Amino acid sequence: SYELTQPPSVSVSPGQTARITCSGDGLPKQYAYWYQQKPGQAPVLVIYKDSERPSGIPERFSGSSSGTTVTLTISGVQAEDEADYYCQSADSSGSYQVVFGGGTKLTVL
Amino acid sequence: EVQLVESGGGLVKPGGSLRLSCAASGFTFSTYTMNWVRQAPGKGLQWVSSISSSSSYIYYADAVKGRFTISRDNAKNSLYLQMNSLRVEDTAVYYCARVIGEVRGYYFDYWGQGTLVTVSS
Repeated sequence: SYELTQPPSVSVSPGQTARITCSGDGLPKQYAYWYQQKPGQAPVLVIYKDSERPSGIPERFSGSSSGTTVTLTISGVQAEDEADYYCQSADSSGSYQVVFGGGTKLTVL
Repeated sequence: EVQLVESGGGLVKPGGSLRLSCAASGFTFSTYTMNWVRQAPGKGLQWVSSISSSSSYIYYADAVKGRFTISRDNAKNSLYLQMNSLRVEDTAVYYCARVIGEVRGYYFDYWGQGTLVTVSS
């Protein structure tokens, strides 16, 4: 089955840049999406179509894609950005299968 | 304002059944594909099921196929998930989510707050 791989954790100091990667064989064919989830809350979409930012999401959130890897970049990390981040894509084989990465815990030191 | 409000969660014994509901408002419900996504305690997100706007296309994750049934009532702006033969591993917060579909993928632009299902003896 199709899988997306994320690092379990990333740690950065306030003001630094955090980069969270997501790898999957289907990513060159299918868009990737990123969600932020804080404890006890529902996920929130922060990036769609690899690099587009929904309205209301701060400009410090950006996304990029290169081959089988997509990257969520948070520039000038703030304490409020501490959360779990999940990438999501779809199975490119034609069947309707939504796939999530395992999630990355971003810790702001 | 788009709102999705889940209900129906609770404690159920293994082998039991439960029906979740999701009440939608703030958008034209009948024109959107809707999905259920779950999250086991301390774990990641897992897609469960999808239903197209007119119920013509329905899909399930392998983990729930044959046990769960997704449905919707566009007249009532409501989404449902009938869960039968529940297992301990079905314990999770269940979210309903609105889907945006594109040529190269689909994603969830709005989520409900979730409802907790606990399967335990």
